Amino acid sequence: NAGVTQTPKFRVLKTGQSMTLLCAQDMNHEYMYWYRQDPGMGLRLIHYSVGEGTTAKGEVPDGYNVSRLKKQNFLLGLESAAPSQTSVYFCASRPGHLNQPQHFGDGTRLSIL
Amino acid sequence: GEDVEQSLFLSVREGDSSVINCTYTDSSSTYLYWYKQEPGAGLQLLTYIFSNMDMKQDQRLTVLLNKKDKHLSLRIADTQTGDSAIYFCAESRNQFYFGTGTSLTVIP
Repeated sequence: NAGVTQTPKFRVLKTGQSMTLLCAQDMNHEYMYWYRQDPGMGLRLIHYSVGEGTTAKGEVPDGYNVSRLKKQNFLLGLESAAPSQTSVYFCASRPGHLNQPQHFGDGTRLSIL
Repeated sequence: GEDVEQSLFLSVREGDSSVINCTYTDSSSTYLYWYKQEPGAGLQLLTYIFSNMDMKQDQRLTVLLNKKDKHLSLRIADTQTGDSAIYFCAESRNQFYFGTGTSLTVIP
């Protein structure tokens, strides 16, 4: 049972570099989410998707882009990394019915120097 | 986000009960959730409660819901060192809104 898989698990970038975080789920879930977790601030929603080919902004979308070309994958891109984007990033997915709980990946720890 | 509030820290002695509190914002929220995050891991769903219930028990876990005060609590009976983690409450409306998390430390 893979569930929600995030790659990579760790990454160190220099300011201005770009990278893509990959989230893959094998549960045929409609909805997918990207969050960042920072100390004392809980989880903040970056972007989300309600289905293949659709994306929407969350609470803190600036500096990030996303794509959902396939139902099982949700990519988070940083075009020009900044130290303020140092964080732990979590992907989650859930079925289409609103009250179904979200399932989370194990996170990607990203440091921007 | 959206003002789902929790205390940041809680310490209890092994064997005691832990009570983690949460206040949420929207009385129309239909489900409320508790997640557990162990160090270096993602969030795992612990339990949830439907808004027309006021209590749910699942082994050592008891969830209490006070809709009038928009207050949710998670009680862990006979707390063990393995219960040390961050606990998040969440409410679902058109989106999911998570609290800031409560870091539970269990002292042996």
